[in-house]
Amino acid sequence: GAVVSQHPSWVICKSGTSVKIECRSLDFQATTMFWYRQFPKQSLMLMATSNEGSKATYEQGVEKDKFLINHASLTLSTLTVTSAHPEDSSFYICSAVSGQGAYEQYFGPGTRLTVT
Amino acid sequence: TQLLEQSPQFLSIQEGENLTVYCNSSSVFSSLQWYRQEPGEGPVLLVTVVTGGEVKKLKRLTFQFGDARKDSSLHITAAQPGDTGLYLCAGSPVNDYKLSFGAGTTVTVRA
Repeated sequence: GAVVSQHPSWVICKSGTSVKIECRSLDFQATTMFWYRQFPKQSLMLMATSNEGSKATYEQGVEKDKFLINHASLTLSTLTVTSAHPEDSSFYICSAVSGQGAYEQYFGPGTRLTVT
Repeated sequence: TQLLEQSPQFLSIQEGENLTVYCNSSSVFSSLQWYRQEPGEGPVLLVTVVTGGEVKKLKRLTFQFGDARKDSSLHITAAQPGDTGLYLCAGSPVNDYKLSFGAGTTVTVRA
């Protein structure tokens, strides 16, 4: 149980275009999902918290107009990187929490974004 | 400033040796998780500790949560090449699902 998927697993896009990344909880309902980015050989940096049916909460320094998050259902959250630039190239990882007192976050396999 | 200080940053040992990774903070956590991450993949949950002084064992891995719930350690006995990876500790503040991650420890076990 507790499987989280991400799609796509990798994507290459041109500078100025937008890219959407999907995060799905496959066998449980996720009241809360999180989006992280990770640079090579570094730890995970939380970007935003996504709650189903409400606006995402962004961490300090993360541009909400650039990283659009939508949590349309209890099993799906999407991250759209708008007007992507090379500095947005990174490994983006989502995680999901089932709620109801659960502490653990279950992570997706990540999406490698390369902006050329 | 990282809320969780993880040490050491890198560890390279020979197969069969033991190793310990430390995770320290001045903050109290309601729970602390340990993850292992392979290159190009998401972190995989190893264990969650929630009670001060708790010790959990997972085969050759032993996890401890400090009495004050501010620190934790991961000990691997007789390490194997398959233990190679990035080990991350992460803590949840009280009444919050958000995780604060340590900087990670890259463990390399040589055959």
